[in-house]
Amino acid sequence: SQTIHQWPATLVQPVGSPLSLECTVEGTSNPNLYWYRQAAGRGLQLLFYSVGIGQISSEVPQNLSASRPQDRQFILSSKKLLLSDSGFYLCAWSPDYTQETQYFGPGTRLLVL
Amino acid sequence: AQSVTQLDSHVSVSEGTPVLLRCNYSSSYSPSLFWYVQHPNKGLQLLLKYTSAATLVKGINGFEAEFKKSETSFHLTKPSAHMSDAAEYYCVVEIFNKFYFGSGTKLNVKP
Repeated sequence: SQTIHQWPATLVQPVGSPLSLECTVEGTSNPNLYWYRQAAGRGLQLLFYSVGIGQISSEVPQNLSASRPQDRQFILSSKKLLLSDSGFYLCAWSPDYTQETQYFGPGTRLLVL
Repeated sequence: AQSVTQLDSHVSVSEGTPVLLRCNYSSSYSPSLFWYVQHPNKGLQLLLKYTSAATLVKGINGFEAEFKKSETSFHLTKPSAHMSDAAEYYCVVEIFNKFYFGSGTKLNVKP
């Protein structure tokens, strides 16, 4: 069966510090991978998605970047965090064809102070 | 451009009464549509999905949704609310492997 992991579960970082959140998927190959941010009362905002190694699409301009160095690894990064980067970050995967369900990781709660 | 609008940010019902959570979408293509539920401090769980087959879709926990192309709607219903249904519900549209979430509807169930 497939599983998706995210770490860390919680992170408190000062403004201006770098960020690296990691997501890995097991039990499947060539998944589509996604990063979302969930801000309080605002639903989930799609940040990045990837259909393959090194292929990243950004949905909204922002202070964050994403990379996919391996087939089942998706990393969310920032060089300098802003206060507005605080939120709940969710990684998700879906099979490599359309009309399929997404499966979500447990999420990382990021607080920037 | 694709978008999803959940018309109510909060819905409150009494236990045993019907639930209606409204969702409208806008898309230039034939979308796939989903409803997800998120209970407090829990992950997102798929309730049901529409993928161009039957327009009335049945999901888990007694929920169902009807796809109405003429109204561009995909409302979620349940005949009788249970206390355990209290959660945040998200309507989602999928186009070419990209998933767009509505802002969510918080369902409160009163005893």
